[in-house]
Amino acid sequence: QVQLQESGPGLVKPSETLSLTCTVSGGSINSHYWSWIRQPPGKGLEWIGYIFYSGGTNYNPSLKSRVTISVDTSKNQFSLKLSSVTAADTAVYYCATSRYYYYMDVWGKGTTVTVSS
Amino acid sequence: QSALTQPPSASGSPGQSVTISCTGTSSDVGGYNYVSWYQQHPGKAPKLMIYEVNKRPSGVPDRFSGSKSGNTASLTVSGLQAEDEADYYCSSYAGSNNFVVVFGGGTKLTVL
Repeated sequence: QVQLQESGPGLVKPSETLSLTCTVSGGSINSHYWSWIRQPPGKGLEWIGYIFYSGGTNYNPSLKSRVTISVDTSKNQFSLKLSSVTAADTAVYYCATSRYYYYMDVWGKGTTVTVSS
Repeated sequence: QSALTQPPSASGSPGQSVTISCTGTSSDVGGYNYVSWYQQHPGKAPKLMIYEVNKRPSGVPDRFSGSKSGNTASLTVSGLQAEDEADYYCSSYAGSNNFVVVFGGGTKLTVL
């Protein structure tokens, strides 16, 4: 069974770029869709976007101008970059995967990112 | 795209059945059979309970079922158990031109 683990800084300054990595274990990243989802404190889930193992991406239109998702097949990892962050980007960030882009059947445990000076 | 609409709360006694609704539009819920449901306990990651409207992943009890009528999808939990108390989120594919996903606002299910 594939397992996912998010990693990255827990604190990011306003206007800077948030960078997170998701490490895939127990399986290869060379298949499936790989997604990022976030959850602000006390709020619901928000889909950020996904990347197909071959590199094709799709992003939430509300975040598209600031988001980049990439994959590193040599390291079995995929990454999220969110630029020009504000306090509104404070959230638990989850990585997830599935055979199809429209649902996620394996999730990481999540990592908390706080945007503050 | 707008978030899907869910009731903020739902409740039922042990053994009873509860249904949670998820309302969208013809551009998401109503247009495709790509609705999924997730269960989230406090401090935990979401867990996929239903995909493609009414399919259960391996390991999900058959007490959980999904359906759809028009622009509204529903999750029914039968034979409520204490461990079913959690937040539930629906999501849907949302667009023919952009392969995007949209979530509902979530429903807090309380087992009385």
